[in-house]
Amino acid sequence: DAKTTQPTSMDCAEGRAANLPCNHSTISGNEYVYWYRQIHSQGPQYIIHGLKNNETNEMASLIITEDRKSSTLILPHATLRDTAVYYCIGTGGGSNYKLTFGKGTLLTVNP
Amino acid sequence: GAVVSQHPSWVICKSGTSVKIECRSLDFQATTMFWYRQFPKQSLMLMATSNEGSKATYEQGVEKDKFLINHASLTLSTLTVTSAHPEDSSFYICSASIPADYGYTFGSGTRLTVV
Repeated sequence: DAKTTQPTSMDCAEGRAANLPCNHSTISGNEYVYWYRQIHSQGPQYIIHGLKNNETNEMASLIITEDRKSSTLILPHATLRDTAVYYCIGTGGGSNYKLTFGKGTLLTVNP
Repeated sequence: GAVVSQHPSWVICKSGTSVKIECRSLDFQATTMFWYRQFPKQSLMLMATSNEGSKATYEQGVEKDKFLINHASLTLSTLTVTSAHPEDSSFYICSASIPADYGYTFGSGTRLTVV
């Protein structure tokens, strides 16, 4: 798995965009960037993943730099329910690979 | 789609007894499942990877005789904590890789308290 670095914590105002950065400078060419989040005492929830291109779904957007050394998860309109620990993970996809969790970023959305 | 159901959501057991946690894939076949443990205020730590029909692969430092993993079918993996002790109290979470998709889905977790 690629080593990832994320800020320990971030704050965001409700209704504003939350931009969560992740550095993964050692990511290899076949490794995806995955984002998961964990709300207290629940299992992690899938958000989005990508390889090279930017991705968007109903939850978030993922912007991956051209050199793939970093990425940003964007929650376009953060709500109080988005308060969680967000994990950025770099790994190959599929059953032959595993997700190794770092410490993640605690995002607190404030009213 | 790609839902994993984990039971029980919480369990309290006496020291020395064994506890079984089940993880079921509801709408897909999970050839590979993963078991994690999470202590308070810490991140998830991978314990083992289980493949259907074969022995589980344990991470370094995880006692395979204490944490028995069975993945006998494509929809069910179980983790049995044998001779549980208070230090085994933790949040246990299962996960499965989703076929034909490079994603992973997680169960809701099991809070184990050993008294």
